[in-house]
Amino acid sequence: QKEVEQDPGPLSVPEGAIVSLNCTYSNSAFQYFMWYRQYSRKGPELLMYTYSSGNKEDGRFTAQVDKSSKYISLFIRDSQPSDSATYLCAMFQGGKLIFGQGTELSVKP
Amino acid sequence: SAVISQKPSRDICQRGTSLTIQCQVDSQVTMMFWYRQQPGQSLTLIATANQGSEATYESGFVIDKFPISRPNLTFSTLTVSNMSPEDSSIYLCSVDMLAGGDEQFFGPGTRLTVL
Repeated sequence: QKEVEQDPGPLSVPEGAIVSLNCTYSNSAFQYFMWYRQYSRKGPELLMYTYSSGNKEDGRFTAQVDKSSKYISLFIRDSQPSDSATYLCAMFQGGKLIFGQGTELSVKP
Repeated sequence: SAVISQKPSRDICQRGTSLTIQCQVDSQVTMMFWYRQQPGQSLTLIATANQGSEATYESGFVIDKFPISRPNLTFSTLTVSNMSPEDSSIYLCSVDMLAGGDEQFFGPGTRLTVL
């Protein structure tokens, strides 16, 4: 079993939709949780960073962590075509990041 | 954050040859990392590049295959040695500005194809 599981998609939604991206993990020692956005042929860009259970909001993006269920989510409200990218969850423990497989998102105008 | 550049951005190489990838940061950073991203796969940490000492390699990666240099706090190189088609991948460097390893910023990547 992988330490971090993420549905690879692809996920296609119409512009304006609410997008939900999810990851589960098995290691309860993970301390911090991140979401990265990676556009085609670019490096990953840090989007959200959380360290406790609950919600963190930044504009149209909300990161949610449920440590009891070992589950994290990223919600995108009013999705835009510019949100089309691959979204990777990542978790930190023992001095290194462990990444999920990434979910490819396409937002159609 | 930091401005991170990588050279080359892409290359096509022949089996059995070696390629050195450079990573340059616009400010001094304590921690630099090298990752591999194979087609359709996630990022896998190859090693942590330590300034003034040998790199720390993850399980499955060895120094003979992926030698790393870190001559100063703004620069590192990764060499992919004796390449085979299985080494075709995107290679990314990242840095952590706060030395904790948890908040990493990535370079644009080097897309390597081995024929």
